[in-house]
Amino acid sequence: DTEVTQTPKHLVMGMTNKKSLKCEQHMGHRAMYWYKQEAKKPPELMFVYSYEKLSINESVPSRFSPECPNSSLLNLHLHALQPEDSALYLCASSQPIRSIYEQYFGPGTRLTVT
Amino acid sequence: AQSVTQPDIHITVSEGASLELRCNYSYGATPYLFWYVQSPGQGLQLLLKYFSGDTLVQGIKGFEAEFKRSQSSFNLRKPSVHWSDAAEYFCAVGSEYGNKLVFGAGTILRVKS
Repeated sequence: DTEVTQTPKHLVMGMTNKKSLKCEQHMGHRAMYWYKQEAKKPPELMFVYSYEKLSINESVPSRFSPECPNSSLLNLHLHALQPEDSALYLCASSQPIRSIYEQYFGPGTRLTVT
Repeated sequence: AQSVTQPDIHITVSEGASLELRCNYSYGATPYLFWYVQSPGQGLQLLLKYFSGDTLVQGIKGFEAEFKRSQSSFNLRKPSVHWSDAAEYFCAVGSEYGNKLVFGAGTILRVKS
């Protein structure tokens, strides 16, 4: 099974809302990632978790709060977002971070902030 | 710092014709190179990867890529394009530490019948 699942597929939220994106993988991967992809642009790395610990934060605003409750799950908590945060949010996973391994991506959550 | 350049924003080819998508990278150490494909509104699917060894790598869906260190290139090829290959293609370079991927801007492939 090489599948990474993400829920929801689409999310519309107001600037005062609190919502969460969820990502799950059952490949035994111990590194998980959040990317943001704006329209007509490549994915940009936001966060990396390795063995359930945050290892990379690419200077992401604090209105985005990642969480890795266990080795299979990755959440992205959203609060007080801005319209410019509207984008496709992609989750990925790979084997442990100290070796280079390919990343497997989920289908993404299309987020619209109104 | 790593960087990737995909010189072609759009490419249009006829169905059945051959395809080559260009990718140039900049990285001081041994590069780890990837090609991903993304259909509209979808996630990214890995086509192939190069870590070391044979410089011609085979991937899924009939794609191949050739690593040329002297030209800092990792071009993607397919001998005969199918209409279902229409999508956006991203070249990416990864670092040995941190497993951080840096993507090129992408090339949109259109296939005409």
